[in-house]
Amino acid sequence: KNQVEQSPQSLIILEGKNCTLQCNYTVSPFSNLRWYKQDTGRGPVSLTIMTFSENTKSNGRYTATLDADTKQSSLHITASQLSDSASYICVVSDSNYQLIWGAGTKLIIKP
Amino acid sequence: DAGVIQSPRHEVTEMGQEVTLRCKPISGHDYLFWYRQTMMRGLELLIYFNNNVPIDDSGMPEDRFSAKMPNASFSTLKIQPSEPRDSAVYFCATIGQLNTEAFFGQGTRLTVV
Repeated sequence: KNQVEQSPQSLIILEGKNCTLQCNYTVSPFSNLRWYKQDTGRGPVSLTIMTFSENTKSNGRYTATLDADTKQSSLHITASQLSDSASYICVVSDSNYQLIWGAGTKLIIKP
Repeated sequence: DAGVIQSPRHEVTEMGQEVTLRCKPISGHDYLFWYRQTMMRGLELLIYFNNNVPIDDSGMPEDRFSAKMPNASFSTLKIQPSEPRDSAVYFCATIGQLNTEAFFGQGTRLTVV
């Protein structure tokens, strides 16, 4: 069964600290993996899209990694800011363009 | 482009009433998706269209739900009759080509009392 699992469910860190969010998937055949940021009360916004051949991709202070062999991805946030408080959702697409959504990690940045 | 535009932003209705949610996609985007989001179930795909044609509606929960895309610039999601368990945030998203970024609207928060 195609599944995307994220950990932790929630995370609280102090402003300025780094953090890493995890995503494991069992989707096959794999097409791409996306990370979205969703602020409370708003729609998800794309951070990165990675295909099979990409190991790492950065978007400002966000860096996503992908290990297609172990079917794992991580999203690393550097020097966190209060505005980083949001839910971060990992989404995996199969070759039929089915998007399988993870449950998300709720990140709270405290001053 | 103003992005994906959804209306209304909030809707409160009584059980049994008909509800219509609207979406204006980004111009030139050929794919349109309707999602429902709840705390318990996260984001669920309801239906998606390609060039105004419904491709996969397997996520539509019941016959009470219907979606149309009469032209490339407009889509509706209708619930008739509505029930309290339909309360959720409904998102519309569009993409230009497969495997590219999906752009989401602001969502419609539906409350059925």
